[in-house]
Amino acid sequence: EVQLLDSGGGLVQPGGSLRLSCAASGFTFSRYAMTWVRQAPGKGLEWVSSISISGSNTYYADSVKGRFTISRDNSKNTLYLQINSLRAEDTAFYYCASGEGPHDYWGQGTLVTVSS
Amino acid sequence: EIVLTQSPGTLSLSPGERATLSCRAGQSVPANYLAWYQQRPGQAPRLLIYGASTRASGIPDRFSGSGSGTDFTLTINRLEPEDFALYYCQQYGNSLTFGGGTKVEIK
Repeated sequence: EVQLLDSGGGLVQPGGSLRLSCAASGFTFSRYAMTWVRQAPGKGLEWVSSISISGSNTYYADSVKGRFTISRDNSKNTLYLQINSLRAEDTAFYYCASGEGPHDYWGQGTLVTVSS
Repeated sequence: EIVLTQSPGTLSLSPGERATLSCRAGQSVPANYLAWYQQRPGQAPRLLIYGASTRASGIPDRFSGSGSGTDFTLTINRLEPEDFALYYCQQYGNSLTFGGGTKVEIK
């Protein structure tokens, strides 16, 4: 069974940092590009970042460029998102998803709340 | 960036009726790389359609996608109770963007 397990969210003050993780199982992780998508509470979906199979190519939405860093460890079947300089508008559920579109598999999401 | 506009914002229908959801792109979507997702409350999105018209694995045939270029449609025939949810379109031909969503609610 395919599973993507998102973790690492929490309450953080403005300007703070977090590292989100996405543990993959049930499929060959190293053969898939991966993506992070976020959703503010009660709002729509927003693409955040994608990474190629090897990790050598990364892509970011303008809203997070320079503050977020996507990475992966294929030996651990894990995707990461380092999020720095957090702002209130970064408050959202963060989902990892397989591929660079379309996304067959999704994690359950991890909630990041930015508040003082 | 390709902007996707979904309409209507909310669709109020009864079980057994047909739902027609629209997704319009601000410019042509390369290779018709357009996907549709369903999101139920408290759940992650689920892929329904990709390539504008290909059903994803395990998706019932009452879901169908059509369209090309800038105009795309998701049709749900004979609405089942579990189909009342949010629906998003996504283009993946030029970076990634999502539409704002359409809520299909019970009338």
